Amino acid sequence: GQQLNQSPQSMFIQEGEDVSMNCTSSSIFNTWLWYKQDPGEGPVLLIALYKAGELTSNGRLTAQFGITRKDSFLNISASIPSDVGIYFCAGPVNYGGSQGNLIFGKGTKLSVKP
Amino acid sequence: SAVISQKPSRDICQRGTSLTIQCQVDSQVTMMFWYRQQPGQSLTLIATANQGSEATYESGFVIDKFPISRPNLTFSTLTVSNMSPEDSSIYLCSVAPGGNQPQHFGDGTRLSIL
Repeated sequence: GQQLNQSPQSMFIQEGEDVSMNCTSSSIFNTWLWYKQDPGEGPVLLIALYKAGELTSNGRLTAQFGITRKDSFLNISASIPSDVGIYFCAGPVNYGGSQGNLIFGKGTKLSVKP
Repeated sequence: SAVISQKPSRDICQRGTSLTIQCQVDSQVTMMFWYRQQPGQSLTLIATANQGSEATYESGFVIDKFPISRPNLTFSTLTVSNMSPEDSSIYLCSVAPGGNQPQHFGDGTRLSIL
C-alpha cells in the first residue's frame, strides 16, 4: 500500500538555526500537507500544497511539492523554542483530494535548544 | 476554520469496559474522520463517519470494536469497546470543512487502559 517515508526521525538544533525535513513516497500524490503537533494537542495544519513544483511559505516556514509528485520538503528558518513539536507530512490516499482519507508520515520530532 | 471539540480530553479506564468519545463541530461539515495515534506513533485512520449511514472502516478496524455514530452534520461519536491495554492511544476526530480545505483536527482524547 501507499507509504510516506519521513526523515529525519528527530532533530536537535540550536535556536536560530534553519531546519529541513522531507517526505518521500513510491506513489504519486496530488496533494501534500504538513501538520505540526504540540504535546497534548491535535495536529495543526501548517501548509497545503496542491501543484507539482509549488513552493509555499507561511511565515518562517516554506514547503515545496516535488516535481515528481513523490516528495515534499518543509524548511523552518531561524528556529525559535516554540517550533518544538512533531511535524507530520500527509497525503490523500489513492490520489484523492485533501478532504478524503489521509495517510501520515511517521513524523519528525524537533527539539530546539535556547 | 471549524472549531472542533472532543470529549473527554482524557480518561483512564478498566479493561473490558467501553468508552464513547464525542466530537462536536461548530459548523456543518461534509466529512468527519476518526484517527488513532498510538504512543509515540503517527496517525492511522480508523474510519470515515458518514452522516445517515454506516461508517466506512479501514483495514484492521471493525465496527464491533469501534462503533461510530454520525447523527447529523456537526456531531459524531466513536466508541472503543471491550478495551484492553493495547487500546491505550490518542483518538482524534478530524473534519473536512468543504471546498478544497484540508482536514482539521480536534485536540484528541487520551485514553489509558489499566
